[in-house]
Amino acid sequence: GAGVSQSPRYKVAKRGQDVALRCDPISGHVSLFWYQQALGQGPEFLTYFQNEAQLDKSGLPSDRFFAERPEGSVSTLKIQRTQQEDSAVYLCASSLSTPYGYTFGSGTRLTVV
Amino acid sequence: KNEVEQSPQNLTAQEGEFITINCSYSVGISALHWLQQHPGGGIVSLFMLSSGKKKHGRLIATINIQEKHSSLHITASHPRDSAVYICAVSPNTGNQFYFGTGTSLTVIP
Repeated sequence: GAGVSQSPRYKVAKRGQDVALRCDPISGHVSLFWYQQALGQGPEFLTYFQNEAQLDKSGLPSDRFFAERPEGSVSTLKIQRTQQEDSAVYLCASSLSTPYGYTFGSGTRLTVV
Repeated sequence: KNEVEQSPQNLTAQEGEFITINCSYSVGISALHWLQQHPGGGIVSLFMLSSGKKKHGRLIATINIQEKHSSLHITASHPRDSAVYICAVSPNTGNQFYFGTGTSLTVIP
């Protein structure tokens, strides 16, 4: 596709439910990032992939958060046993190979009730 | 520790006014980005700068590398410019962005 696609656009989950958020980066983009943006805050780094390798996962807030990119293209961010504090917009961004020229997806807004 | 600081946090302007949003950063960077985020969360990249000045329509972005400062200007503001404007930097080392907390702009007709 022409841009970074994220799905679903909106997700409401009951506390304790597992969720999976999908990111389709631009074809050929090597670098992929996940960010979490709480209401009224700037995005916070979660994790970074270069192709299928997860090079940095230092921003994942707990072991309930897990990200994968098994074939170096589509990535999934999984949150197990969701908590209310997980409510946020989850943003995905991809780039050819360097910090230049990032393209952001529209985000997935997760609301945990 | 905030690597990127933006001001003001909130800004209300009358339609037609000239608007300036400021961004200061504390790390060495390879590029600075200005992003626009509308209600609902979607982000659009407005500018990527490593030096000087860029202009796109009514939007102008400048950067002073020595002073570690950037400004985003909107001329002849319009209600459709209402959004959150976020400054983000790509540091020289590491792989991630650092983001400012954003400036929420409301333009009143």
